[in-house]
Amino acid sequence: DGGITQSPKYLFRKEGQNVTLSCEQNLNHDAMYWYRQDPGQGLRLIYYSQIVNDFQKGDIAEGYSVSREKKESFPLTVTSAQKNPTAFYLCASSGWRGETQYFGPGTRLLVL
Amino acid sequence: EDQVTQSPEALRLQEGESSSLNCSYTVSGLRGLFWYRQDPGKGPEFLFTLYSAGEEKEKERLKATLTKKESFLHITAPKPEDSATYLCAGERGSTLGRLYFGRGTQLTVWP
Repeated sequence: DGGITQSPKYLFRKEGQNVTLSCEQNLNHDAMYWYRQDPGQGLRLIYYSQIVNDFQKGDIAEGYSVSREKKESFPLTVTSAQKNPTAFYLCASSGWRGETQYFGPGTRLLVL
Repeated sequence: EDQVTQSPEALRLQEGESSSLNCSYTVSGLRGLFWYRQDPGKGPEFLFTLYSAGEEKEKERLKATLTKKESFLHITAPKPEDSATYLCAGERGSTLGRLYFGRGTQLTVWP
């Protein structure tokens, strides 16, 4: 089955710790995106990547980092600089920028 | 400032009671207007893309329409399984792939 997988489903972060969220797609899509969703809020763009080894900041990139070493993978690291990381994180992909974005199941990050 | 506003925030309907959800936008040079459905704790599921004013698309009990200022998601004779949060997003033509999302409308359909 083609699709987008995110892991883990739940992630717990301690103070001062960096954590990495995984996103993998087997849709052969070029573009990948990371969004953050808070209760009662719209999705906000963190980072996006149009092609391997290239990525751009979205609207709320501070405290986050990404890499795009493979077409299929776009991991997101939540660093200790992100002071309010508790949220639902969604990864999406599209065939090209401007095409329909399809979403993964999400990772819920909680702070201990 | 690019912005998408959805109303109402929450809507409760009895099964079979048709209604509409509104999505107004001020996205500069709108290229596409997207509708998604999101169930609790899940990722959004794509429903429709609309590209030009006057365009309509249908899927089962849902019909999406687009004007120059807003989009509507019409739900005809809804069923309890239509209960979800419906999200709309606008894409600016000059920055492909950058979607501006509304906060969503939480729809509850009771039997």
